Amino acid sequence: DGGITQSPKYLFRKEGQNVTLSCEQNLNHDAMYWYRQDPGQGLRLIYYSQIVNDFQKGDIAEGYSVSREKKESFPLTVTSAQKNPTAFYLCASSIAWTGGQPQHFGDGTRLSIL
Amino acid sequence: EDKVVQSPLSLVVHEGDTVTLNCSYEVTNFRSLLWYKQEKKAPTFLFMLTSSGIEKKSGRLSSILDKKELFSILNITATQTGDSAVYLCAGGGYSGGGADGLTFGKGTHLIIQP
Repeated sequence: DGGITQSPKYLFRKEGQNVTLSCEQNLNHDAMYWYRQDPGQGLRLIYYSQIVNDFQKGDIAEGYSVSREKKESFPLTVTSAQKNPTAFYLCASSIAWTGGQPQHFGDGTRLSIL
Repeated sequence: EDKVVQSPLSLVVHEGDTVTLNCSYEVTNFRSLLWYKQEKKAPTFLFMLTSSGIEKKSGRLSSILDKKELFSILNITATQTGDSAVYLCAGGGYSGGGADGLTFGKGTHLIIQP
């Protein structure tokens, strides 16, 4: 079955540490996205990518980095510069890059600070 | 800055009741309004609305868009305990440069009591 796989489900970060969240999709979608969700809040866009080797900052990109070396993969690194990383992170993909398309989500990674 | 506002933020009803969830939006170069249901993890796609006044229906759920007044409603009739979830509304636009991701509201937390 096609879908989006995020790993790990739970992740703990120590002070000063960079951590990487994995996102893999086998839907053959061109566009991929990373969102952050805080309790009682909607989803906020961190980064998105229209095609391989291209990505753009979203609304809250500071303290995060991404890469898109393969169509199927869009990993997110939470760097030590992100001072409040505790949140639920969701990866999504969509069939087209034309905006406003339905996005399909992975099951998320819950990141906490030790 | 794009904005999506949902109301109410939380709602408790009894099984069998009908509920209406509201979503107003301000999205640059608006293309679509999307509804998602989020239980524990990944938001699951419900509807995408692009044309004003045309109702989309799926079983007991239905949704309609008013592009003149910039709002959408999601109706759930004969509610069941399995409808308990956070319902997210998102607006999609197009900047001309590619996918912008979606702008999400904070969600309506719906609780159905037996």
